[in-house]
Amino acid sequence: EAGVTQFPSHSVIEKGQTVTLRCDPISGHDNLYWYRRVMGKEIKFLLHFVKESKQDESGMPNNRFLAERTGGTYSTLKVQPAELEDSGVYFCASSQERIRRGYTFGSGTRLTVV
Amino acid sequence: LAKTTQPISMDSYEGQEVNITCSHNNIATNDYITWYQQFPSQGPRFIIQGYKTKVTNEVASLFIPADRKSSTLSLPRVSLSDTAVYYCLVGDESGATNKLIFGTGTLLAVQP
Repeated sequence: EAGVTQFPSHSVIEKGQTVTLRCDPISGHDNLYWYRRVMGKEIKFLLHFVKESKQDESGMPNNRFLAERTGGTYSTLKVQPAELEDSGVYFCASSQERIRRGYTFGSGTRLTVV
Repeated sequence: LAKTTQPISMDSYEGQEVNITCSHNNIATNDYITWYQQFPSQGPRFIIQGYKTKVTNEVASLFIPADRKSSTLSLPRVSLSDTAVYYCLVGDESGATNKLIFGTGTLLAVQP
């Protein structure tokens, strides 16, 4: 089966600009998660979708971040306006069941804000 | 959520067995122990999960003592391709989200 696909793999933008990251989960996976690792820190949970609904968005850092999952398929994570501290790697994962061994992660999007 | 402690890094040579120990003194009764592996430029990948005693799969073995306050991931006969960061995570499976709480992980460097 195809894995979790993230696009773009790299993005370099200037402070104040907008960037949209996309995640295509494994087909049939209702659960979709966003995580990120900012420089020098641990991988942190951002939010969890079940189909098109946000189940848990407790990890979203502030209102500059907007996640959507239209139709319960792919998801986008928009950062507007981007700040320097948003630089890092953004991972998407999907799972069929909500169990810790069931996650499949994408390769991530490396975002650099200059 | 139980906090985990594991070594920051480990070195090994090809063909050796590697054991990475994780401490989780505050593990709760319903918590499972899950290990993920992350190669450079990739997302984390599930490798093994256990609750108690020993679990073995095609990739690794997981040893959990009776008190469950620690666990040891064992990689038999490592190769260069096993160079990665290994994360130990602890949590129950009954939550509505079951988000993963990552620590710093252990960077395993395998030398020829």
